[in-house]
Amino acid sequence: DAGVIQSPRHEVTEMGQEVTLRCKPISGHDYLFWYRQTMMRGLELLIYFNNNVPIDDSGMPEDRFSAKMPNASFSTLKIQPSEPRDSAVYFCASSLGRGGEQYFGPGTRLTVT
Amino acid sequence: KQEVTQIPAALSVPEGENLVLNCSFTDSAIYNLQWFRQDPGKGLTSLLLIQSSQREQTSGRLNASLDKSSGRSTLYIAASQPGDSATYLCAVNFGNEKLTFGTGTRLTIIP
Repeated sequence: DAGVIQSPRHEVTEMGQEVTLRCKPISGHDYLFWYRQTMMRGLELLIYFNNNVPIDDSGMPEDRFSAKMPNASFSTLKIQPSEPRDSAVYFCASSLGRGGEQYFGPGTRLTVT
Repeated sequence: KQEVTQIPAALSVPEGENLVLNCSFTDSAIYNLQWFRQDPGKGLTSLLLIQSSQREQTSGRLNASLDKSSGRSTLYIAASQPGDSATYLCAVNFGNEKLTFGTGTRLTIIP
Protein backbone atom coordinates (compact mmCIF):
# COMPACT_ATOMS: atom_id res chain seq x y z
CA ASP A 1 0.00 0.00 0.00
CA ALA A 2 1.20 3.51 -0.77
CA GLY A 3 0.29 4.78 2.66
CA VAL A 4 -1.70 7.93 3.35
CA ILE A 5 -1.45 10.34 0.43
CA GLN A 6 -1.78 14.08 0.81
CA SER A 7 -1.79 16.86 -1.75
CA PRO A 8 -0.47 19.37 -2.31
CA ARG A 9 2.76 18.97 -0.33
CA HIS A 10 3.30 22.71 -0.22
CA GLU A 11 0.81 25.53 -0.61
CA VAL A 12 1.53 29.24 -0.59
CA THR A 13 -1.44 31.55 -0.80
CA GLU A 14 -2.46 35.09 -0.02
CA MET A 15 -4.66 36.07 2.86
CA GLY A 16 -8.32 35.83 1.97
CA GLN A 17 -7.93 33.07 -0.58
CA GLU A 18 -9.60 29.68 -0.33
CA VAL A 19 -7.34 26.71 0.36
CA THR A 20 -8.25 23.05 -0.13
CA LEU A 21 -6.12 20.24 1.24
CA ARG A 22 -6.67 16.68 0.08
CA CYS A 23 -6.17 13.27 1.63
CA LYS A 24 -6.44 9.67 0.49
CA PRO A 25 -6.40 7.25 3.44
CA ILE A 26 -4.98 3.75 3.42
CA SER A 27 -7.38 1.44 1.65
CA GLY A 28 -9.67 -0.36 4.08
CA HIS A 29 -9.12 2.02 6.97
CA ASP A 30 -12.36 3.27 8.51
CA TYR A 31 -11.03 6.19 10.56
CA LEU A 32 -9.60 9.39 9.12
CA PHE A 33 -8.05 12.22 11.13
CA TRP A 34 -6.94 15.76 10.31
CA TYR A 35 -4.20 17.29 12.49
CA ARG A 36 -2.39 20.60 12.49
CA GLN A 37 1.20 21.11 13.68
CA THR A 38 2.68 24.47 14.67
CA MET A 39 5.72 25.41 16.69
CA MET A 40 3.59 27.16 19.29
CA ARG A 41 0.88 24.53 19.82
CA GLY A 42 2.45 21.28 18.62
CA LEU A 43 0.16 18.67 17.09
CA GLU A 44 -3.57 19.21 17.49
CA LEU A 45 -6.48 17.15 16.23
CA LEU A 46 -8.90 19.18 14.14
CA ILE A 47 -11.56 16.62 13.18
CA TYR A 48 -11.99 12.91 12.66
CA PHE A 49 -14.33 10.70 10.65
CA ASN A 50 -15.52 7.15 11.11
CA ASN A 51 -16.96 5.42 8.05
CA ASN A 52 -17.07 8.80 6.27
CA VAL A 53 -19.13 10.42 9.04
CA PRO A 54 -17.67 13.32 11.06
CA ILE A 55 -17.53 12.24 14.69
CA ASP A 56 -15.73 15.03 16.51
CA ASP A 57 -14.96 18.45 15.06
CA SER A 58 -14.33 20.19 18.37
CA GLY A 59 -10.76 20.94 17.33
CA MET A 60 -11.74 22.93 14.26
CA PRO A 61 -10.60 26.45 15.12
CA GLU A 62 -13.50 28.38 13.62
CA ASP A 63 -16.12 28.49 10.93
CA ARG A 64 -13.54 29.28 8.30
CA PHE A 65 -12.49 25.63 8.48
CA SER A 66 -14.57 22.80 7.03
CA ALA A 67 -13.89 19.15 6.25
CA LYS A 68 -15.67 16.59 4.15
CA MET A 69 -15.34 12.91 3.39
CA PRO A 70 -17.55 12.11 0.41
CA ASN A 71 -16.34 8.51 0.20
CA ALA A 72 -14.01 6.06 1.91
CA SER A 73 -11.01 7.01 -0.20
CA PHE A 74 -11.05 10.79 -0.14
CA SER A 75 -11.27 13.69 2.27
CA THR A 76 -10.79 17.44 2.02
CA LEU A 77 -9.99 20.17 4.51
CA LYS A 78 -10.98 23.61 3.33
CA ILE A 79 -10.07 27.01 4.74
CA GLN A 80 -12.07 29.97 3.49
CA PRO A 81 -10.95 32.71 3.83
CA SER A 82 -7.38 31.89 4.82
CA GLU A 83 -5.41 34.01 7.30
CA PRO A 84 -1.68 34.20 8.11
CA ARG A 85 -2.26 32.47 11.46
CA ASP A 86 -3.45 29.39 9.56
CA SER A 87 0.14 28.82 8.41
CA ALA A 88 1.10 25.35 9.66
CA VAL A 89 1.70 21.78 8.56
CA TYR A 90 -1.55 19.89 8.13
CA PHE A 91 -1.44 16.12 8.51
CA CYS A 92 -3.97 13.50 7.57
CA ALA A 93 -3.91 10.10 9.28
CA SER A 94 -5.94 6.93 9.01
CA SER A 95 -6.48 3.83 11.12
CA LEU A 96 -8.40 0.58 11.17
CA GLY A 97 -10.89 -0.13 13.92
CA ARG A 98 -11.37 1.48 17.29
CA GLY A 99 -8.06 2.35 18.88
CA GLY A 100 -6.15 1.26 15.82
CA GLU A 101 -2.62 2.36 15.06
CA GLN A 102 -2.69 5.68 13.26
CA TYR A 103 -0.67 6.11 10.09
CA PHE A 104 0.22 9.62 9.01
CA GLY A 105 0.63 11.16 5.60
CA PRO A 106 3.60 13.36 4.68
CA GLY A 107 1.69 16.54 5.45
CA THR A 108 0.87 19.74 3.60
CA ARG A 109 2.92 22.79 4.52
CA LEU A 110 0.62 25.79 4.24
CA THR A 111 1.94 29.34 4.14
CA VAL A 112 -0.53 32.21 4.10
CA THR A 113 1.01 35.60 3.33
CA LYS B 1 -7.59 18.22 31.50
CA GLN B 2 -5.86 15.31 29.80
CA GLU B 3 -2.27 16.19 29.12
CA VAL B 4 0.84 14.45 27.86
CA THR B 5 4.32 15.58 28.85
CA GLN B 6 7.72 14.62 27.51
CA ILE B 7 10.90 15.52 29.34
CA PRO B 8 13.58 16.38 28.38
CA ALA B 9 12.82 18.44 25.30
CA ALA B 10 16.22 17.54 23.86
CA LEU B 11 18.78 14.81 24.46
CA SER B 12 22.22 14.08 23.03
CA VAL B 13 23.99 10.77 23.51
CA PRO B 14 27.08 9.12 21.97
CA GLU B 15 26.55 6.46 19.37
CA GLY B 16 26.23 2.96 20.72
CA GLU B 17 24.69 3.91 24.04
CA ASN B 18 21.32 2.67 25.25
CA LEU B 19 18.83 5.40 26.10
CA VAL B 20 15.38 5.97 27.54
CA LEU B 21 12.81 8.54 26.50
CA ASN B 22 10.05 9.46 28.92
CA CYS B 23 6.37 10.22 28.54
CA SER B 24 3.89 11.03 31.29
CA PHE B 25 0.12 11.51 31.15
CA THR B 26 -2.40 12.92 33.57
CA ASP B 27 -5.26 10.42 33.25
CA SER B 28 -4.63 6.73 33.89
CA ALA B 29 -7.80 5.72 32.03
CA ILE B 30 -6.13 5.39 28.69
CA TYR B 31 -7.10 3.21 25.74
CA ASN B 32 -3.65 2.96 24.21
CA LEU B 33 -0.42 4.86 23.66
CA GLN B 34 1.57 5.30 20.47
CA TRP B 35 5.20 6.31 19.93
CA PHE B 36 6.20 8.12 16.75
CA ARG B 37 9.37 9.52 15.28
CA GLN B 38 9.46 12.64 13.14
CA ASP B 39 12.39 13.61 10.99
CA PRO B 40 12.86 17.32 10.18
CA GLY B 41 10.33 18.50 7.61
CA LYS B 42 8.74 15.07 7.41
CA GLY B 43 5.63 13.31 8.58
CA LEU B 44 5.21 11.03 11.57
CA THR B 45 6.32 7.41 11.47
CA SER B 46 4.60 5.06 13.86
CA LEU B 47 7.07 3.07 15.95
CA LEU B 48 5.01 1.17 18.49
CA LEU B 49 1.43 0.95 19.69
CA ILE B 50 0.90 -0.31 23.22
CA GLN B 51 -2.58 -1.18 24.42
CA SER B 52 -3.78 -0.34 27.92
CA SER B 53 -3.79 -4.05 28.80
CA GLN B 54 -0.14 -4.45 27.83
CA ARG B 55 2.96 -3.73 29.88
CA GLU B 56 5.39 -3.51 26.98
CA GLN B 57 5.90 -3.85 23.25
CA THR B 58 9.07 -4.54 21.31
CA SER B 59 10.17 -3.88 17.76
CA GLY B 60 13.78 -4.50 16.88
CA ARG B 61 15.99 -2.25 19.04
CA LEU B 62 12.95 -0.44 20.44
CA ASN B 63 11.02 -1.36 23.57
CA ALA B 64 8.08 0.61 24.92
CA SER B 65 6.74 0.11 28.42
CA LEU B 66 3.50 1.29 29.96
CA ASP B 67 2.63 1.87 33.60
CA LYS B 68 -0.91 3.19 33.77
CA SER B 69 -1.01 3.49 37.54
CA SER B 70 1.87 5.95 37.55
CA GLY B 71 0.85 7.59 34.27
CA ARG B 72 4.15 6.84 32.55
CA SER B 73 5.56 5.27 29.44
CA THR B 74 9.15 4.85 28.37
CA LEU B 75 10.74 4.19 25.00
CA TYR B 76 14.01 2.30 25.28
CA ILE B 77 16.41 2.43 22.34
CA ALA B 78 19.25 -0.07 22.40
CA ALA B 79 22.64 0.44 20.78
CA SER B 80 21.80 3.87 19.39
CA GLN B 81 22.84 4.82 15.86
CA PRO B 82 23.15 8.19 14.09
CA GLY B 83 20.07 7.25 12.05
CA ASP B 84 18.05 7.29 15.27
CA SER B 85 18.41 11.08 15.43
CA ALA B 86 14.90 12.53 15.19
CA THR B 87 12.12 13.94 17.33
CA TYR B 88 10.22 11.28 19.25
CA LEU B 89 6.59 11.91 20.05
CA CYS B 90 4.37 10.14 22.52
CA ALA B 91 0.61 10.20 21.88
CA VAL B 92 -2.18 8.95 24.12
CA ASN B 93 -5.65 7.79 23.15
CA PHE B 94 -7.79 8.54 26.21
CA GLY B 95 -10.66 6.46 24.85
CA ASN B 96 -12.22 8.90 22.43
CA GLU B 97 -10.09 8.00 19.38
CA LYS B 98 -8.34 11.38 19.58
CA LEU B 99 -4.58 11.27 20.08
CA THR B 100 -3.21 13.79 22.56
CA PHE B 101 0.44 14.44 21.75
CA GLY B 102 3.36 15.37 23.93
CA THR B 103 5.70 18.10 22.73
CA GLY B 104 8.38 15.58 21.85
CA THR B 105 12.01 14.86 22.67
CA ARG B 106 14.57 15.88 20.06
CA LEU B 107 17.21 13.13 20.06
CA THR B 108 20.69 13.59 18.64
CA ILE B 109 23.06 10.64 18.39
CA ILE B 110 26.67 11.80 18.29
CA PRO B 111 28.90 9.68 16.00
